[in-house]
Amino acid sequence: SQQGEEDPQALSIQEGENATMNCSYKTSINNLQWYRQNSGRGLVHLILIRSNEREKHSGRLRVTLDTSKKSSSLLITASRAADTASYFCATGAYAGNMLTFGGGTRLMVKP
Amino acid sequence: DTAVSQTPKYLVTQMGNDKSIKCEQNLGHDTMYWYKQDSKKFLKIMFSYNNKELIINETVPNRFSPKSPDKAHLNLHINSLELGDSAVYFCASSDRGFTEAFFGQGTRLTVV
Repeated sequence: SQQGEEDPQALSIQEGENATMNCSYKTSINNLQWYRQNSGRGLVHLILIRSNEREKHSGRLRVTLDTSKKSSSLLITASRAADTASYFCATGAYAGNMLTFGGGTRLMVKP
Repeated sequence: DTAVSQTPKYLVTQMGNDKSIKCEQNLGHDTMYWYKQDSKKFLKIMFSYNNKELIINETVPNRFSPKSPDKAHLNLHINSLELGDSAVYFCASSDRGFTEAFFGQGTRLTVV
């Protein structure tokens, strides 16, 4: 079964609104990362939060991590049509030496 | 310069054929990966490899094999292709196995 699972699977909002995506995982992690994928393209790294961090900001992105609940959220503020993409969380752990991805949230921002 | 490049971008082939996808990274990373993305966009790790260790996802059929001629390259060989192998395959690299990963643009494999 997959390590990370995003919720919701799809999200449609108007430009200017905030978008929140959630991710749950199952095992111990070293860090949790969020990636973006535009249609037909590869994934692009957005932000990494370590297991000893609770919140991190990068521009219009805000990520929270709750290790007790094994969950994370990605908030995109003041969304733009260009934010339309799929967003994936990925967990990194010492064990296994790999990143494990969830199923992604497809975000559509309407102009 | 492209950090992680993979070729070809598109690959159409018949069932039963053997094919390879090449991947190269110029970032000096120690770890490279292959991921398979299915039609529902789910990304499944296939292999994680650095110059010391190959980690194989146990669910990957042994028809799939990674080949690494050197630290900057990790090619994917697929034998006896099946219809279910149709997907987009992504190569990626990172400094270590759980740090920020850089992805190639993907290879869309279609088996007919």
